[in-house]
Amino acid sequence: EIVMTQSPTTLSVSPGERATLSCRARQSINSNLAWYQQRPGQPPRLLIYGASTRAAGIPARFSGSGSGTDFSLTITSLQSEDSAIYYCQQYNNWHSFGQGTKLEIK
Amino acid sequence: EVQLVQSGAEVKQPGESLRISCKGSGYTFTYYWINWVRQVPGKGLQWMGRIDPLDSDVNYSPSFQGHVTISVDKSISTAYLQWSGLEASDSAIYYCARLEVGTTGVGYWGQGTLVTVSS
Repeated sequence: EIVMTQSPTTLSVSPGERATLSCRARQSINSNLAWYQQRPGQPPRLLIYGASTRAAGIPARFSGSGSGTDFSLTITSLQSEDSAIYYCQQYNNWHSFGQGTKLEIK
Repeated sequence: EVQLVQSGAEVKQPGESLRISCKGSGYTFTYYWINWVRQVPGKGLQWMGRIDPLDSDVNYSPSFQGHVTISVDKSISTAYLQWSGLEASDSAIYYCARLEVGTTGVGYWGQGTLVTVSS
């Protein structure tokens, strides 16, 4: 089982600013990484796959980067609706998720 | 429209058995694995395992192997997650999901089934 570690646990950023979330895999997962957004009471929503490809309908404010073991999700021009928990997920070897980063908009 | 529709919330006592379901529609059910994901309220997502609806091949996460059983009835496009002896620690929301995002660029999730185990 590939362990995924996200940082920070919580991030508080002002509207209009930029947020950068990190995800690290214990072993190389190539670019087989996805990012999800989860709002309270809802299932996760796919944002990014292939480490850097936005899913359909996802605004360009969301971008992903990285390969191998280190990845990041950057959200620019933060809006109140971006307040959520963000998870990374590897699908290189079955599946596993990071523990999540809670993004708060001040 | 692709949909994964899960069965309703359950309240059970410790030691009881339970089977929850996930019905796929809007696509060829046997083409894509169905995954089960656990989320303890207020906690993160844990991948439990997956099943190939075509041949019922199952992979379990080591963390859940032996504690749950994943099965499928392809004739009615439905996957199942079952327990033979629930524990209080099984209280969680369980999602079924299609996670083949690397090949399709799309992820589909059920609405979740809340399981509460309490005496």
